Amino acid sequence: QVHLVQSGAEVKKPGASVKISCKASGYIFTHYGMHWVRQAPGQRPEWMGWINTGNDDTKFSQKFQGRATIIRDTSATTVYMELSSLRTEDTAVYYCTRDASGNAFHYNRFDPWGQGTLVTVSS
Amino acid sequence: SYELTQAPSVSVSPGQTASITCSGDNLADKYVSWYQQKAGHSPVLVIYEDTKRPSDIPERFSGSDSGNTATLTISGTQAVDEADYYCQAWDSSTGFFGGGTKLTVL
Repeated sequence: QVHLVQSGAEVKKPGASVKISCKASGYIFTHYGMHWVRQAPGQRPEWMGWINTGNDDTKFSQKFQGRATIIRDTSATTVYMELSSLRTEDTAVYYCTRDASGNAFHYNRFDPWGQGTLVTVSS
Repeated sequence: SYELTQAPSVSVSPGQTASITCSGDNLADKYVSWYQQKAGHSPVLVIYEDTKRPSDIPERFSGSDSGNTATLTISGTQAVDEADYYCQAWDSSTGFFGGGTKLTVL
């Protein structure tokens, strides 16, 4: 059974960085890409970026280009997302979600999702 | 930025059919996915590539598209289907979600 387990909640001050982990199990890690999606309270989900777990290629929403980093550790079957220069508007639940279509950035769909990591940015 | 538009809420009686729509420019040229999100839980994929259903999703969930509108249909709606539903599509290599429709089963 495919399972994604994320790291715990974080509280950060404006200007700081946060790094969230996503441990994958139940499938061949390098055969499926991983996306990061965030959801602010009461808002729609927002796609942030993606990593090809086979070759390390990444793509980001223009909104997060330069501020978000996604890396993978194939030996640990874990993907990490780091967001820098945090502002209060970054307060949200951050999800990792597997690309069920594989590692190509094409016809992508999100299945399954991790349990989410609440990041609170407050002074 | 690409915009997907959904009605904020839909109500349905148990056993009836619920239809949730999603509209966007040139949506006919894109694949649409649908996600169910129950309160306090992570989203779950219920429809992808407009009409396909994951193997673990009940048959009462179906998807269709006509022109620039995609529709999620839930036949024989049950109380457990009460949730927020989000459509999602890709535009210029960026993923976009609709604003969500809250389905209430009265």
